[in-house]
Amino acid sequence: EIEMTQSPATLSVSPGERATLSCRASQSVGSNLAWYQQKPGQAPRLLIHGASARATGIPARFSGSGSGTEFTLTISSLQSEDFAVYYCHQYSDWPPYTFGQGTKLEIK
Amino acid sequence: EVQLLESGGGLVQPGGSLRLSCAASGFSFRTYAMNWVRQAPGKGLEWVSVISGSGGSSFYADSVKGRFAISRDNSKSTLSLQMNSLRAEDTGIYYCAKGIAVAGTLWASNWFDPWGQGTLVTVSS
Repeated sequence: EIEMTQSPATLSVSPGERATLSCRASQSVGSNLAWYQQKPGQAPRLLIHGASARATGIPARFSGSGSGTEFTLTISSLQSEDFAVYYCHQYSDWPPYTFGQGTKLEIK
Repeated sequence: EVQLLESGGGLVQPGGSLRLSCAASGFSFRTYAMNWVRQAPGKGLEWVSVISGSGGSSFYADSVKGRFAISRDNSKSTLSLQMNSLRAEDTGIYYCAKGIAVAGTLWASNWFDPWGQGTLVTVSS
């Protein structure tokens, strides 16, 4: 089973600033990596698949990068609606699909 | 518009059973793998099960193998999860999610989009 580790657990950033979230896989997942955003009381929403492809309707300020075992989600200029929990998800080796434990992005 | 609507959650005693359903609309249901993902209160996401578009193949997390059964009715665009021998640790919100894979890759190499709004399962005496 591939273990996904996200860092940091909590990230405090001011609106308008850049946020960088990390995700590390215990073994290579190639580019089979997705990112989701989850707001309180809501279902997760797909942001990125294939490590760097934005999902339909996702603003350009969200970008994904990386391959193999190291991945990054960058939000270039934080808006108020971006404060949420973010999860990475590998779909390279299954079962099981595995998620990171999440990074909570909070307002500084 | 793609929509997924879960139902069937509720309060059940340990050792009991529950059947969840997910009604899909807005896409060719039989073409896509479907998944169940759960989230314990205040915790992260845990994948539970996936089923192929035809229903002929399925996989489970070790934590539910032998207790849960995933199925689908493509004529009704409905996904189901039969949950038996429920335990307290099965408590959480259960989401159904459409699986998307790159053409030409294995059907189960899929990310999840969209997700339903979830249904709450509480296992407690």
